[in-house]
Amino acid sequence: GENVEQHPSTLSVQEGDSAVIKCTYSDSASNYFPWYKQELGKRPQLIIDIRSNVGEKKDQRIAVTLNKTAKHFSLHITETQPEDSAVYFCAASKTGTASKLTFGTGTRLQVTL
Amino acid sequence: SAVISQKPSRDICQRGTSLTIQCQVDSQVTMMFWYRQQPGQSLTLIATANQGSEATYESGFVIDKFPISRPNLTFSTLTVSNMSPEDSSIYLCSVVVVGETQYFGPGTRLLVL
Repeated sequence: GENVEQHPSTLSVQEGDSAVIKCTYSDSASNYFPWYKQELGKRPQLIIDIRSNVGEKKDQRIAVTLNKTAKHFSLHITETQPEDSAVYFCAASKTGTASKLTFGTGTRLQVTL
Repeated sequence: SAVISQKPSRDICQRGTSLTIQCQVDSQVTMMFWYRQQPGQSLTLIATANQGSEATYESGFVIDKFPISRPNLTFSTLTVSNMSPEDSSIYLCSVVVVGETQYFGPGTRLLVL
């Protein structure tokens, strides 16, 4: 089955700096890649997603890039703010698996003042 | 998106007992899933809740331990049976409204003593 690896496990940046989280997946048939943000004690919230027919997608300070050949995708957060502090999860799924998501191990992002 | 609620929000149970968790959505959804998130860990898919038929379980999860019902398109239950301390986790339902985008319920925090 699908295996998703995520790095780094923890990331500390200063407010205003950029943060990058990287994920790799094993199943070349995967074609949908969402990113979730989970604040302490809260549910995972979808922040951005990308499909395999697109190489990059941006939403304000958040962007995701996808390299199908290398089977990796990345989350980029620019101009980080303290409220960006949370655990971020990448995930992957493929058409025909009824939307079943395989999650990465998570990255704890700490934005310091 | 959809408004998803779960009951109970948290519970403390004795080993050997069972707990049924409810997931209610405010609109009809195509897919419903149940995930487990162990303390400090990522999300692991338990099963797909199929409307009107038996759930589809992932490797490592069995119906006797985690019976699931989905009587209609807006409601599902997950039972954690014969609980042990290792079952202490957050249990989350998720739904797909349209396409592949998956939204999560608030979760049920379970502590087994």
